[in-house]
Amino acid sequence: NAGVTQTPKFRVLKTGQSMTLLCAQDMNHEYMYWYRQDPGMGLRLIHYSVGEGTTAKGEVPDGYNVSRLKKQNFLLGLESAAPSQTSVYFCASSSRGNQPQHFGDGTRLSIL
Amino acid sequence: AQSVTQPDIHITVSEGASLELRCNYSYGATPYLFWYVQSPGQGLQLLLKYFSGDTLVQGIKGFEAEFKRSQSSFNLRKPSVHWSDAAEYFCAVVRFSGGYNKLIFGAGTRLAVHP
Repeated sequence: NAGVTQTPKFRVLKTGQSMTLLCAQDMNHEYMYWYRQDPGMGLRLIHYSVGEGTTAKGEVPDGYNVSRLKKQNFLLGLESAAPSQTSVYFCASSSRGNQPQHFGDGTRLSIL
Repeated sequence: AQSVTQPDIHITVSEGASLELRCNYSYGATPYLFWYVQSPGQGLQLLLKYFSGDTLVQGIKGFEAEFKRSQSSFNLRKPSVHWSDAAEYFCAVVRFSGGYNKLIFGAGTRLAVHP
């Protein structure tokens, strides 16, 4: 049971570089989410998707873009990385918005 | 706006002692509530959920939580803590905004267990 898989697990970037984080789920879930986790702040929603081809902004969307071209994949992009984006990023999926979310193991991203 | 408050940032208990982690929410209607646990370097795992019905819900790993509408609380309890319970615990509530339901998380409570 793979569940939710995130790649990569770790990455170090320089300010201004771009990168894409990949999330894949094998549970046929409609909803997918990207969160960032920072000390003392819990998880904050960056973007989410309620189905293939749809995306929407969450609580902290600035500096990030997302795409959901396939139902099982949800990509998070940083076009021009900033030190403030140093964080641990989590992807999650759920069958519906009010159902439990299943989380990946996270991507630890450092921006120098 | 709906929100979740976990008043305790850190809690330390001795192995075998009882545990209660506090969670307060602000929400007008009957909320959908969750407790998640996060072990170091891992993602969040669902411990238990409350949607409706019996206000005392049982979860995995021997945890339970009680929904108290009058106190707007959903506290997590365990009668006897094991060293492997050391982790960070998050309370969450479903919030409806932008046309869809989303989870709002508390800031978390980090649990340390002394031998």
